[in-house]
Amino acid sequence: EAQVTQNPRYLITVTGKKLTVTCSQNMNHEYMSWYRQDPGLGLRQIYYSMNVEVTDKGDVPEGYKVSRKEKRNFPLILESPSPNQTSLYFCASSPTPLGAKNIQYFGAGTRLSVL
Amino acid sequence: GENVEQHPSTLSVQEGDSAVIKCTYSDSASNYFPWYKQELGKRPQLIIDIRSNVGEKKDQRIAVTLNKTAKHFSLHITETQPEDSAVYFCAANSYNTDKLIFGTGTRLQVFP
Repeated sequence: EAQVTQNPRYLITVTGKKLTVTCSQNMNHEYMSWYRQDPGLGLRQIYYSMNVEVTDKGDVPEGYKVSRKEKRNFPLILESPSPNQTSLYFCASSPTPLGAKNIQYFGAGTRLSVL
Repeated sequence: GENVEQHPSTLSVQEGDSAVIKCTYSDSASNYFPWYKQELGKRPQLIIDIRSNVGEKKDQRIAVTLNKTAKHFSLHITETQPEDSAVYFCAANSYNTDKLIFGTGTRLQVFP
């Protein structure tokens, strides 16, 4: 089954404790992206990747890191989480970069609380 | 920077009525405009999209229109049903940077 898998689905942590949210897709998609969703603000792009070893900042990259060492995986790293990073996070993938064919498939989401 | 404004933020309609959600984008180079539906506790799912070389697209009860000159695009849902109740997001790609900019969402409630 074609899917985008995020783990964990729920996470409660404390300020400053490094964490990683994993994202994996089995559709051989080139484009992957991370979004955060906050009430009243919609979905805001954190980072995106157009292919292996190619990543770029979205609108709200501060406090986050990503890597794309393999095509299928795109982990989101919070080196020193802070309470303002409490949010619902979605990973998404697309067959090609958005300019060409833009259907994005979203993961189920990760609800993160930073105390 | 690039921006997408979406209105209204909430919309309540009677079952069977039509619903219209409007978005305005700022990047004149945008060429792709998807609409996503997000049911409570679920992930966003693409329901319809339109490219800048097309003025209107229909898929059963939903349609999207695009006015490139005014940088407006709209989602139209006809004969609304309770299962249409959800949050709807518009988006526009930023052609030069390959980012996707989302609107802030519209919560649609369809009352039986």
